[in-house]
Amino acid sequence: QSALTQPASVSGSPGQSITISCTGTSSDVGGYNFVSWYQQHPGNAPKIIIYDVSERPSGVSNRFSGSKSGNTASLTISGLHTEDEADYYCCSYAGTNTFVVFGEGTKVTVL
Amino acid sequence: EVQLVESGGGLGQPGGSLRLSCAASGFTFSSYEMIWVRQAPGKGLEWVSYISRSGSTTSYADSVKGRFTISRDNAKNSLYLQMSSLRVEDMAVYYCVRNGGGLGLWGQGTVVTVSS
Repeated sequence: QSALTQPASVSGSPGQSITISCTGTSSDVGGYNFVSWYQQHPGNAPKIIIYDVSERPSGVSNRFSGSKSGNTASLTISGLHTEDEADYYCCSYAGTNTFVVFGEGTKVTVL
Repeated sequence: EVQLVESGGGLGQPGGSLRLSCAASGFTFSSYEMIWVRQAPGKGLEWVSYISRSGSTTSYADSVKGRFTISRDNAKNSLYLQMSSLRVEDMAVYYCVRNGGGLGLWGQGTVVTVSS
């Protein structure tokens, strides 16, 4: 039940695009198309922004997009806004014994 | 309104017990798998436990296996987490989460503190 690997921090200027990687194994990220991403502002509960690798829930900005290649998933935020400054976590289904595994989290800073 | 509301957090002693509850409203509770996720102070998210729609299937993180028990009452639209043999490392915000379209619905969390 090891956490998925994410960079500790990523930064960008308003209007720029950034990409956060999420690396797992063939038992989680690589084995299923059930990767999701969550945004968490300080003091708040996480909020889903991507599910099933690249699907956006209703109401989530199309500036957020997801993809996957092999054992690595990625979240791209296009046209950075100041309100995008938050922690981001990836998550993958990992089978019946370990239902899901989360990434370590990435702090996004908008410079 | 579609929501999950946790309760039952508070101060627990090492070796003691606490029972968390989660009240679901605004959706058909029995149609969804449910999980508990926790977040220790300043740390990331950690999956704790899973329960199937009927409650017949459960699973646990190794860190809580044998100490925590997840259950649900579909007639009361409620999810529970019985926490026993508490450890200092169990101290966290505990979130009740609905599985559907990813982990699509989160409660606001309930804080569990473990201290003597």
